[in-house]
Amino acid sequence: GEQVEQLPSILRVQEGSSASINCSYEDSASNYFPWYKQEPGENPKLIIDIRSNMERKQIQELIVLLDKKAKRFSLHITDTQPGDSAMYFCAASPGYQNFYFGKGTSLTVIP
Amino acid sequence: EAAVTQSPRNKVAVTGGKVTLSCNQTNNHNNMYWYRQDTGHGLRLIHYSYGAGSTEKGDIPDGYKASRPSQENFSLILELATPSQTSVYFCASGDRDRGHERLFFGHGTKLSVL
Repeated sequence: GEQVEQLPSILRVQEGSSASINCSYEDSASNYFPWYKQEPGENPKLIIDIRSNMERKQIQELIVLLDKKAKRFSLHITDTQPGDSAMYFCAASPGYQNFYFGKGTSLTVIP
Repeated sequence: EAAVTQSPRNKVAVTGGKVTLSCNQTNNHNNMYWYRQDTGHGLRLIHYSYGAGSTEKGDIPDGYKASRPSQENFSLILELATPSQTSVYFCASGDRDRGHERLFFGHGTKLSVL
């Protein structure tokens, strides 16, 4: 099966509302969970990450939650703007040189 | 921000031909990676390197070779390109940060094998 499952694959939200993306992972040794944003034709860029010693992290409108028991983590974008429209990837890493990526979520924020 | 530069940005190759994708990083990161990105698969690891002179197989290495002649440069080589290798290829370098590694990606190379 997939090492990291990411849902939904497509997400459309109204401007100003919240968007949530959920990921689950298999490898219980995973201890680092980054999120990448990729705009069309651009490279994936790290936007927020969380380590296994944390349950919640917030950077401006981005919130990441981690539930190690359930092996799930999620990204929440509050007060979405058209500039948030992009592909988002989650990843789980059990250590150096080892990353499992989700298949991505295409987020569209409708003005 | 860390700089990872890929060339070419676009490439059209013929089946059976040899293709070399180049990657240069100016971050002095030891680790470098090659991923391919396909719809429905996300990012999949082809080869990676710990430093100059080292190459390691990733999850999908078949049909690909890699070369790391220096700290800055990491190449991906398709000796006999096939249409199934049509994809977008991303190079990344890795920055160790308090027991974890942050990846910095290049802008990608779109490869079409006809």
